[in-house]
Amino acid sequence: TQLLEQSPQFLSIQEGENLTVYCNSSSVFSSLQWYRQEPGEGPVLLVTVVTGGEVKKLKRLTFQFGDARKDSSLHITAAQPGDTGLYLCAGAAPVGFKTIFGAGTRLFVKA
Amino acid sequence: GAGVSQSPSNKVTEKGKDVELRCDPISGHTALYWYRQSLGQGLEFLIYFQGNSAPDKSGLPSDRFSAERTGGSVSTLTIQRTQQEDSAVYLCASSSSGGAGLEQYFGPGTRLTVT
Repeated sequence: TQLLEQSPQFLSIQEGENLTVYCNSSSVFSSLQWYRQEPGEGPVLLVTVVTGGEVKKLKRLTFQFGDARKDSSLHITAAQPGDTGLYLCAGAAPVGFKTIFGAGTRLFVKA
Repeated sequence: GAGVSQSPSNKVTEKGKDVELRCDPISGHTALYWYRQSLGQGLEFLIYFQGNSAPDKSGLPSDRFSAERTGGSVSTLTIQRTQQEDSAVYLCASSSSGGAGLEQYFGPGTRLTVT
């Protein structure tokens, strides 16, 4: 069974602080995605990483895919209240069409 | 353009009743997914449709759950004889073509409460 474990499960920080969220698995994924979900809405894709060791930046967000394609991290610099939400990592299984989602990290950024 | 829509947005039902949840994917998207999200949990895969291929039903938790996709567009998820543990948010997503790793566009979900 392929599982994606996210940590921490919950994070409450002050505006301006930096944070890192982790997504780990014992399985290899052909690609990995990060989504953000706000209350009452569906998740929205932030980024897809495909190549082991890949780093992608989206404004203050930096995403990294592990060399072995088993893990990923999301780093937010100078967090803002608008970053508040549930961050989900999702992995594409090497074979088939399933996407496996982690349980998410709930981030709360206080002004 | 229009995104993925789901109806109803909220559904309260009594234990033992049947419910139908509807999903309208983005026009032209051939792949459609149903997920279940319980409080504090991630998304649990339920079923996947791609074009005219046989659906991947491997995530359906029991035979009380079924889904159809008519004409390659609208999909209905049916839960028969609902149980309290079925209470969750049911999310539908579509993507432009099949295959994991493609961007999935999600609807707002249907919050199901079984009393």
